[in-house]
Amino acid sequence: QITLKESGPTLVKPTQTLTLTCNFSGFSLSTSGVGVGWIRQPPGKALEWLALIYWDGDKRNSPSLRNRLTITKDTSKNQVVLTLTNMDPVDTATYYCAHRGKNAAFDIWGQGTMVTVSS
Amino acid sequence: SFELTQPPSVSVSPGQTASITCFGDKLGDNYACWYQQKPGQSPVLVIYQDSKRPSGIPERFSGSNSGNTATLTISGTQAMDEADYYCQAWDSSSVVFGGGTKLTVL
Repeated sequence: QITLKESGPTLVKPTQTLTLTCNFSGFSLSTSGVGVGWIRQPPGKALEWLALIYWDGDKRNSPSLRNRLTITKDTSKNQVVLTLTNMDPVDTATYYCAHRGKNAAFDIWGQGTMVTVSS
Repeated sequence: SFELTQPPSVSVSPGQTASITCFGDKLGDNYACWYQQKPGQSPVLVIYQDSKRPSGIPERFSGSNSGNTATLTISGTQAMDEADYYCQAWDSSSVVFGGGTKLTVL
């Protein structure tokens, strides 16, 4: 059974860097075709893709946030870490990590973690 | 940049068929998938690779994708299907989500 869980601060100040961790179980991020992605959702708004890291270390970032985003993985710890620099109130959202299967879809999602940006 | 456009809302009567569209330039050349999200919950994949259903998704959910439009169809819609639905596709190596459609069953 695949599960993912996001963790990190619930409140950050403007200009600070957000670091979120996705801890997962039930799969290995060294398995060919597998990836872990980050998606966020501001309150009452649509889903927005942020980043994706593949089993082979290949990384993809949203073009609109590319300069602010970093995604890394620790295969031995079953973790994927997302950092987002220079946080702004518009970055207030629920942040999800999700398993990207060989079917190229996000087939299992974490519960999400709400992050508020406020001074 | 590649964009996916969905109608903001769709209404359907119980037992009827609901169709939710997703428009994108040459969308049919790529796989589309669909997610269901109920209030306060994480999204759930309901259709992948245009028309395939993950295990546990009812048969009343189906999908198609051709030309510039992907369509999610819910046959015999039930009250429990009331939710937000998002389409998703790939633009070269980037992920793109549609703006979401609120399905109301009334």
